[in-house]
Amino acid sequence: GQSLEQPSEVTAVEGAIVQINCTYQTSGFYGLSWYQQHDGGAPTFLSYNALDGLEETGRFSSFLSRSDSYGYLLLQELQMKDSASYFCAVRDRGSSASKIIFGSGTRLSIRP
Amino acid sequence: NAGVTQTPKFQVLKTGQSMTLQCAQDMNHNSMYWYRQDPGMGLRLIYYSASEGTTDKGEVPNGYNVSRLNKREFSLRLESAAPSQTSVYFCASSDRGRDSNQPQHFGDGTRLSIL
Repeated sequence: GQSLEQPSEVTAVEGAIVQINCTYQTSGFYGLSWYQQHDGGAPTFLSYNALDGLEETGRFSSFLSRSDSYGYLLLQELQMKDSASYFCAVRDRGSSASKIIFGSGTRLSIRP
Repeated sequence: NAGVTQTPKFQVLKTGQSMTLQCAQDMNHNSMYWYRQDPGMGLRLIYYSASEGTTDKGEVPNGYNVSRLNKREFSLRLESAAPSQTSVYFCASSDRGRDSNQPQHFGDGTRLSIL
């Protein structure tokens, strides 16, 4: 079946860089997405990688290696407002959106 | 600039009662989704609609029905609520093509408690 693994918690210092990893197991693969969710809030779409490599959007970058079934979200110049949960999600190739699977989330805590 | 609007924001039901969660988007998106999120967990897809008039089951469809009557609106119905359906429900929409189908815009959620 499908599964995603990401760390449950990560702590980092304001102004630093942090990487949140995600490994997945699927019978096929379309792409890897990342979402941010603040406590009590709605998820916010951050990025989508369908091809290998690094995609950068401001302070956030997302990387994918299809051969390693692995991706990560890189957050630079951390700010206190980046304290949130981050979810990776994959869609199994050959299926409809009904097979989009979310990881359990990584809670990122930023220290001053 | 409303985006995705969900109603109600909070609801308490008794076991066996029925209710409909409403969702509307004003971005002219084709794809719409209903997810549930339990404490400390990721989102689980309940139902998905690729376009007006079409719906597909997601990961956890049992106990739910959906209706996509037009492009804007996608409703989720609980016919006979059970305590296991206590959760936060999110509606989402997407403007990407069918090949990606990654939900991009989420509503603020409906916090539903079943007693």
